[in-house]
Amino acid sequence: KNQVEQSPQSLIILEGKNCTLQCNYTVSPFSNLRWYKQDTGRGPVSLTIMTFSENTKSNGRYTATLDADTKQSSLHITASQLSDSASYICVVQSNAGNMLTFGGGTRLMVKP
Amino acid sequence: KAGVTQTPRYLIKTRGQQVTLSCSPISGHRSVSWYQQTPGQGLQFLFEYFSETQRNKGNFPGRFSGRQFSNSRSEMNVSTLELGDSALYLCASSVGTFYEQYFGPGTRLTVT
Repeated sequence: KNQVEQSPQSLIILEGKNCTLQCNYTVSPFSNLRWYKQDTGRGPVSLTIMTFSENTKSNGRYTATLDADTKQSSLHITASQLSDSASYICVVQSNAGNMLTFGGGTRLMVKP
Repeated sequence: KAGVTQTPRYLIKTRGQQVTLSCSPISGHRSVSWYQQTPGQGLQFLFEYFSETQRNKGNFPGRFSGRQFSNSRSEMNVSTLELGDSALYLCASSVGTFYEQYFGPGTRLTVT
């Protein structure tokens, strides 16, 4: 069964600090892995999308890594800001039927 | 370029009724996907349309249906509403199935 597990479920950090969110998946066959940021009451916004051959991808202060061998990904946020407070969702797309499997998300709160 | 728009933004219906939600994709995008988001289940894929054809379908009962018009606008219909259908319904558009998706703000449906 295709699954995407994210950890931690929630996280509180101080403004200016770094943090790393984890995503483990069992989706097969793998097509791509996506990270989304979702502010409360809004639709998700794409941060990165990585294919099998990509190990690292950055989008400003967000850096995603992918290890296709261990089926793990991480999202690193550098120098956090209050506006980073949101849910971060890991999504894996399969080549079989193009299905998307969503993780449960990590709720991040950045405090001043 | 205008983003993905969804109408209505909020909706209250009673059990047994039916509802139709609308999604206008970004100009030039031919793929439209629908998702249901609830606190308990997170984001779940409903279906994807591409050039007026349903390409993929998630594990939802037949009460959930959709269609796409020649201008790529899409509608989602839920018949015989149940309390458990209360959720945020999100629409996302992209140029194709394996490309970056852009989400709309969602329609918040409450079933009483």
